[in-house]
Amino acid sequence: DQQVKQNSPSLSVQEGRISILNCDYTNSMFDYFLWYKKYPAEGPTFLISISSIKDKNEDGRFTVFLNKSAKHLSLHIVPSQPGDSAVYFCAADNAGNMLTFGGGTRLMVKP
Amino acid sequence: KAGVTQTPRYLIKTRGQQVTLSCSPISGHRSVSWYQQTPGQGLQFLFEYFSETQRNKGNFPGRFSGRQFSNSRSEMNVSTLELGDSALYLCASSPTVGPTGANVLTFGAGSRLTVL
Repeated sequence: DQQVKQNSPSLSVQEGRISILNCDYTNSMFDYFLWYKKYPAEGPTFLISISSIKDKNEDGRFTVFLNKSAKHLSLHIVPSQPGDSAVYFCAADNAGNMLTFGGGTRLMVKP
Repeated sequence: KAGVTQTPRYLIKTRGQQVTLSCSPISGHRSVSWYQQTPGQGLQFLFEYFSETQRNKGNFPGRFSGRQFSNSRSEMNVSTLELGDSALYLCASSPTVGPTGANVLTFGAGSRLTVL
């Protein structure tokens, strides 16, 4: 039972344009949602999080939107840069002690 | 500030053997979690330790075990290795719940285990 799903395994975007990565979840008890970025041969790196009581959180080029009624969140990267090319994981936190991850989306930003 | 350190980075074992992986968390972080990453299953939670106590355990067989020492360093062990145990094993530490309330984990680079 996948509680967190990222339905797009890959996404290709032109440099300077917007990248939109999507994530769906099923458990309405999740308190927080987080996005991580992972480069090959490195561990995931925390990007941005959002509380379940918010609908938007912004940090520089990264914005996360949460739609609780649809159990959907998205990460917007504007403008996209070649260095953003990585695998992005959506994760959900319901107990403060463990995260449930989606399967990841590979983002490729073309120069 | 040193990050999360995992050793060894790469190792090869054969079926039936056992393996021990080590993790040194960020100084001051008392919670250590372990995750398994495979191409088909993504990142799956193994277990989490806080103050030498296992607080949560994921849906893995008993062959997977771990422990945490008084200095917060952690080890995980996999016994009777199977081919399907080939994966990247990631350790993460956190200061438990941060100021935002989210459980922001800081990950190590991982230990890549290949079982032949």
